[in-house]
Amino acid sequence: EAGVAQSPRYKIIEKRQSVAFWCNPISGHATLYWYQQILGQGPKLLIQFQNNGVVDDSQLPKDRFSAERLKGVDSTLKIQPAKLEDSAVYLCASTALTSGGSGANVLTFGAGSRLTVL
Amino acid sequence: QKEVEQNSGPLSVPEGAIASLNCTYSDRGSQSFFWYRQYSGKSPELIMFIYSNGDKEDGRFTAQLNKASQYVSLLIRDSQPSDSATYLCAVRETDSWGKLQFGAGTQVVVTP
Repeated sequence: EAGVAQSPRYKIIEKRQSVAFWCNPISGHATLYWYQQILGQGPKLLIQFQNNGVVDDSQLPKDRFSAERLKGVDSTLKIQPAKLEDSAVYLCASTALTSGGSGANVLTFGAGSRLTVL
Repeated sequence: QKEVEQNSGPLSVPEGAIASLNCTYSDRGSQSFFWYRQYSGKSPELIMFIYSNGDKEDGRFTAQLNKASQYVSLLIRDSQPSDSATYLCAVRETDSWGKLQFGAGTQVVVTP
């Protein structure tokens, strides 16, 4: 089974510029997550999709971050305009679980997109 | 704000010894708990999960859960240099759509 694909792997931009990251989850996985991981910290959830609907975007800085998941498969995360504090690795993850019920929810992560804002 | 707390380390462990990692969480209703390993510059990969009180063993790894104390731990037996990594504790929040709350991770360094 192919893993979670992300691109680009690395991106360097200047502050106030824009950037977009792309994610293709594991085939058949209905739930997709974007996490932000700042150096030395654990991943922080930015947004969660189930199919093409948003189920949690409570920690997404909506004044500058946006995300979409058209057709319930691929997803893009955009930052505009970028700030210095957005320097981080942006991790996409997916899971087959489709509900908030009990049980293990095993996330599979992509390799991540490392953003450096100068 | 629901929290997951871990000691940041580094935890230095001699090769062949047991590494003991601890994690506490604030959401008393949490049901599922995960340990991920993250090598430097890589993405997290699942080691194991646990959702019943007690111990769960998988090879050299043992997860221990005590819901009354809101505590989950990971033991790594016969530590190898390849175990040197950051270990992330993650808790599935209640009233969520499978959202995982991660701790900051504990860095483990296994010395030959």
